[in-house]
Order: sequence, then C-alpha cells, then structure tokens
Amino acid sequence: DAGVIQSPRHEVTEMGQEVTLRCKPISGHDYLFWYRQTMMRGLELLIYFNNNVPIDDSGMPEDRFSAKMPNASFSTLKIQPSEPRDSAVYFCASSLRLGSSNQPQHFGDGTRLSIL
Amino acid sequence: GDSVTQMEGPVTLSEEAFLTINCTYTATGYPSLFWYVQYPGEGLQLLLKATKADDKGSNKGFEATYRKETTSFHLEKGSVQVSDSAVYFCALDDRGSTLGRLYFGRGTQLTVWP
Repeated sequence: DAGVIQSPRHEVTEMGQEVTLRCKPISGHDYLFWYRQTMMRGLELLIYFNNNVPIDDSGMPEDRFSAKMPNASFSTLKIQPSEPRDSAVYFCASSLRLGSSNQPQHFGDGTRLSIL
Repeated sequence: GDSVTQMEGPVTLSEEAFLTINCTYTATGYPSLFWYVQYPGEGLQLLLKATKADDKGSNKGFEATYRKETTSFHLEKGSVQVSDSAVYFCALDDRGSTLGRLYFGRGTQLTVWP
C-alpha cells in the first residue's frame, strides 16, 4: 500500500518567494496533519483537517502560512512570502478514526525546506 | 491541557546496553499512548502503542507499559543495536477530547556505538 506521499522532498528558494508543499494522504484516511520540525522547537503541529475541513489552525505561525485540502486525496501548505526562519522539515501525516478510537498517524518522509 | 514530557537527549549507549527513555504525560481524559521512531532522513513511524492502563506495547524488542498511577510510559529495550540509533518520540491521543490530534514530546536522540 502506498503511504503518505509528500512533494517535493527538498526545496531551496530565496526569501520572498512563494513555496507550496504538497501531500497525498493514505486513501480512506479522514484526518490530515501538517507538522514542522526544527532543532530549536522540535515537532510542531501547524494545522489539521478532518474530512477536508480545517479543525485547528492555531499552530500556523503567521498569516504568511496557509493550508488547503480541496479533496480527500490532496492537501497543500503554502508560505507566501517565505523567510529564512521558515527553513525546516515539514511533515504531512494522515490517520483514520474508528468509532471513538484514533488509529495511529502515518507520516510522509517530509519536505526539507531551505529559504536563503 | 494535554502534554507529554520526555527525557532530554542525547542518549549515547554501547551496543547491547540497556535502554530506558522516560516519558510522563498529562491528560484530561483516558489517553492512548504511543512511541514513534524517526530514522535519519525519514518521517516518524509508529513503534508501539498502548490504549489502556497496564497495557504493554511491544515491537522490535522495545517495550513500554502504560502506568496510570504514575502517568508514565517509559520506553525500554534490553539490548540495543547500532540500527536502533534514531530519534524517539512519546505521544498521547486523548480520545474524545482532542478530535484526532496527537501531543508529542520533544524527542530523544539515541546513538548506539558498536
């Protein structure tokens, strides 16, 4: 079975440019999560969706960050304009809720973003 | 609120040594508890889980027991290998009150030397 697929794996761009990260969750999963990982702050939850609807975006650092999930098989995280402090590894994860139990989250391999 | 605290790293061990990584949690409900592992250049992978008090999760020689009385879920392995070098994350899912999100600890870097 295909896991969570993220693209690109690596992105290097200059500050001020728009960056779009993409995620394809596991088919049938109804939750999708975006995380950011840095040495200084560890793993941070940015936003998560349930059935394509954003549930909690309180982790989104600034208005420069936005996320969408137009359908069950695709999500984007956009940064516009990008800044050097946005450099990090961004992970997408998906999971399935069965009854009252949340099944474990499955993570993609991440996008390593470097803003020069 | 819900939170997870795990021991600071890095942890450096020789091959075949005993490993313990401490994890304690705070939760308002009845959480499920998880350990995830992240190998270099990869995303997090589920290592083991426990869904109720006194459950023991185990996988690949790793074990952790859900201790409600001490609100802990310490990760242990009797004999580590070089291939266990990775970052380990403790996490909780407070079923019913968090609508799907996990709360992660800061992660503990483990390095095993031959």
